[in-house]
This record gives sequence, C-alpha cells and structure tokens, in this order.
Amino acid sequence: DAMVIQNPRYQVTQFGKPVTLSCSQTLNHNVMYWYQQKSSQAPKLLFHYYDKDFNNEADTPDNFQSRRPNTSFCFLDIRSPGLGDAAMYLCATSSGQGYQPQHFGDGTRLSIL
Amino acid sequence: AQSVTQPDIHITVSEGASLELRCNYSYGATPYLFWYVQSPGQGLQLLLKYFSGDTLVQGIKGFEAEFKRSQSSFNLRKPSVHWSDAAEYFCAVGASNTGNQFYFGTGTSLTVIP
Repeated sequence: DAMVIQNPRYQVTQFGKPVTLSCSQTLNHNVMYWYQQKSSQAPKLLFHYYDKDFNNEADTPDNFQSRRPNTSFCFLDIRSPGLGDAAMYLCATSSGQGYQPQHFGDGTRLSIL
Repeated sequence: AQSVTQPDIHITVSEGASLELRCNYSYGATPYLFWYVQSPGQGLQLLLKYFSGDTLVQGIKGFEAEFKRSQSSFNLRKPSVHWSDAAEYFCAVGASNTGNQFYFGTGTSLTVIP
C-alpha cells in the first residue's frame, strides 16, 4: 500500500565515498522532491523535478545531484559526502498543483563514518 | 517572501487535555495550508489541508484546524490528546506563484505525559 518508497531506510557510508539514495512512487505524480532534514529542524528542499524539468535550489551544494530516469523513480547522488551531510533524506511527490499536498516517503537516514 | 512561523518549539500536555499548535504565515494571496505530523524516524504524514471554502477543516486522527485570514493563522487543534500523538508537527504553506514548492515552519515538538 506504500505510495512513496525510499530505499534503503538506513545508509552508512564513508567520508568522501559516493552514495546514492533511491525513491520510487506508485502515485504517477508529476513532481518529485528531495529534502534534507537534520535533527529537530524542518525539511530543507534540495531540488525537485517537474516531469523531466530539474529545479535546483540556489543554496544546494554542488555535491548533491539528482536523476529521474522515468516517472516512477528518482535518485539522490552525493558525490563526496562530508560529515555535515549526515541527515535524514526525504523524498516527496505531488501532482504539481499548489493546493495539492506533498506525499512523503519514510526517509533514508544517512550516516557518515 | 513567503514564510511560516511556528512560535512554539516544544509543548507538553497531559493525556486527555486539549491541544492547540500555532502557525502563522506570510503570503500576499490566499495560501494553501497544510499540517503534517512526523513520528521519530519516519516521514511526514498529512493531517489536513486548506485551500478554499469552510475555514474550519477536519483532518485525520481527530485533528482540526481553522484558517483565519485576518490573523494570518492556521492553528491546529485537538480536543483530547492521546499518548500516541507525541510527535513533531509541521505547518506548511504552498503558494500558487511558487510553482510546486512548500515552505515549512520549524516545527513544534509535542510531548504527552500520562
């Protein structure tokens, strides 16, 4: 019944070692978002795709990249993770209309050794 | 610029007591307003939303919220809190002229004591 699925739920990587987080959706939504959430903070939008149109937030580090090969899947790539990138990463989807809610996955908790 | 303020960082209530979580927004036109709940280690779950019509909206888990344009507020309420309501609560505004983005408040952490 899950609609936005994130894998893995927990990811441990080494400092500087590339890592990829994945998100899939069964809602057929146009828009997919990636958020970073640190402890006791609000989610911070990194970027989003409207269909194949990529929209990067101005303050998202270049270290973060994303791919959306098709409607259902979206990936977050961190090219050289630093200690400050340890966080919960949330994927969300929406139909793209402002009055519609975003639907969130359960997140991936990323730890950096 | 759009913004959302949740003045209360942390609230503690007794089980069975009533609850009100405050949310104020800044936006020039009619906003689309949402409340989400996040349990530890989980994603955000939608509680309720407002975009037009009746200013008192009902949500899941017995929550309701009232949109007050004159006060730029969208406060969340529940008449009787259960221990399972302990979580982080986020208010968000989605505005039509920002494309598809949401602006989140900083959240209110709710503790429920028996």
